Amino acid sequence: NAGVTQTPKFQVLKTGQSMTLQCAQDMNHEYMSWYRQDPGMGLRLIHYSVGAGITDQGEVPNGYNVSRSTTEDFPLRLLSAAPSQTSVYFCASSYSYGLPDTQYFGPGTRLTVL
Amino acid sequence: GESVGLHLPTLSVQEGDNSIINCAYSNSASDYFIWYKQESGKGPQFIIDIRSNMDKRQGQRVTVLLNKTVKHLSLQIAATQPGDSAVYFCAVRGRGAQKLVFGQGTRLTINP
Repeated sequence: NAGVTQTPKFQVLKTGQSMTLQCAQDMNHEYMSWYRQDPGMGLRLIHYSVGAGITDQGEVPNGYNVSRSTTEDFPLRLLSAAPSQTSVYFCASSYSYGLPDTQYFGPGTRLTVL
Repeated sequence: GESVGLHLPTLSVQEGDNSIINCAYSNSASDYFIWYKQESGKGPQFIIDIRSNMDKRQGQRVTVLLNKTVKHLSLQIAATQPGDSAVYFCAVRGRGAQKLVFGQGTRLTINP
């Protein structure tokens, strides 16, 4: 199993540009989520999905869109990039959120918005 | 909502000593607690978890203690090694919630 994969590893955008961060998992996990991590802070939840076709907002959803058309993939879209979105983005998945379950994290995407 | 805080942003210990990393949470209804380790340039990695019906759980060289009375969680690492150098996060889930709330992390540094 590859686990949770994220692409790209690094990205530089100009203010106003849009892009999609990719996340995929091959563990047949129902639950997937996106976090952002800023210096000196913990991980903050952006969006999450409890299964294909179902998404919901987390703590900091503004400026981001998600969709979950398949169990495996959970892309994160930046609609119009802003410098405040400069951060490291982590995707995570877990088998189910109905029971206590650990989340497996991807390696992260480091995004810089100029 | 839930908030999670840590007592120390940094901790420095001698190699071979035991390390204790603390975490406090606000919601008494929280039912699931996890400790993650994050090495530089990598994603968080699961270390150990504990449910609210337990007070203590042990893994390999790690122990998690849960004190629900004062809403406090701690991670103990025995015989700390250089490979334990990392940032450690606690994460808490409220009962029935579909998301985890993370603390800000403690950077553990091991002195030779």
